[in-house]
Amino acid sequence: EAGVAQSPRYKIIEKRQSVAFWCNPISGHATLYWYQQILGQGPKLLIQFQNNGVVDDSQLPKDRFSAERLKGVDSTLKIQPAKLEDSAVYLCASSLNLGANSYNEQFFGPGTRLTVL
Amino acid sequence: SQQGEEDPQALSIQEGENATMNCSYKTSINNLQWYRQNSGRGLVHLILIRSNEREKHSGRLRVTLDTSKKSSSLLITASRAADTASYFCATVLNTGTASKLTFGTGTRLQVTL
Repeated sequence: EAGVAQSPRYKIIEKRQSVAFWCNPISGHATLYWYQQILGQGPKLLIQFQNNGVVDDSQLPKDRFSAERLKGVDSTLKIQPAKLEDSAVYLCASSLNLGANSYNEQFFGPGTRLTVL
Repeated sequence: SQQGEEDPQALSIQEGENATMNCSYKTSINNLQWYRQNSGRGLVHLILIRSNEREKHSGRLRVTLDTSKKSSSLLITASRAADTASYFCATVLNTGTASKLTFGTGTRLQVTL
């Protein structure tokens, strides 16, 4: 079974530029997550989709970050404009949706390492 | 925000020794999970312990959970060089139709030969 795919693996941009990351979840997984992991810290949830709808985006900096999952499959996370503090690894994960009272294991992609200069 | 604080932040041991990592959290949970992250790679799920469980084993891993103290520990027995990685605890709270996973700060484990 193919895992969660992400691209690009690495990206270097200058501050105030724009950048986009792509994620293709495991086939059949209804739930998709984007996390930001700053060096030396644990991942922080940015946004969670259930099919093509947003479940939780409470920690997404909406003035510069946006994400979409138009067809309920793959997803794009965009930063516009980027700041120095956005340098981090952006992880995508997906899970089946067995209901809130079930254990919905998340499977993580390899991440995109963003460096903002 | 980070839910869990992990202790120690870094741990260096020799191959064959046991490694113990601790995690403390702040709010109610449905379950707690431990993940491993090798340098430059994604997270791999290791083990889950439910809020009504106190101890769980999986191979060389042993996890304990004390909900009264809001703490958990991960023990890796007979460590190997391949266990070198960062380990994160993550608490899970089920809300409505979603399961929200909140990670701790992580422990960097170095196993030397």
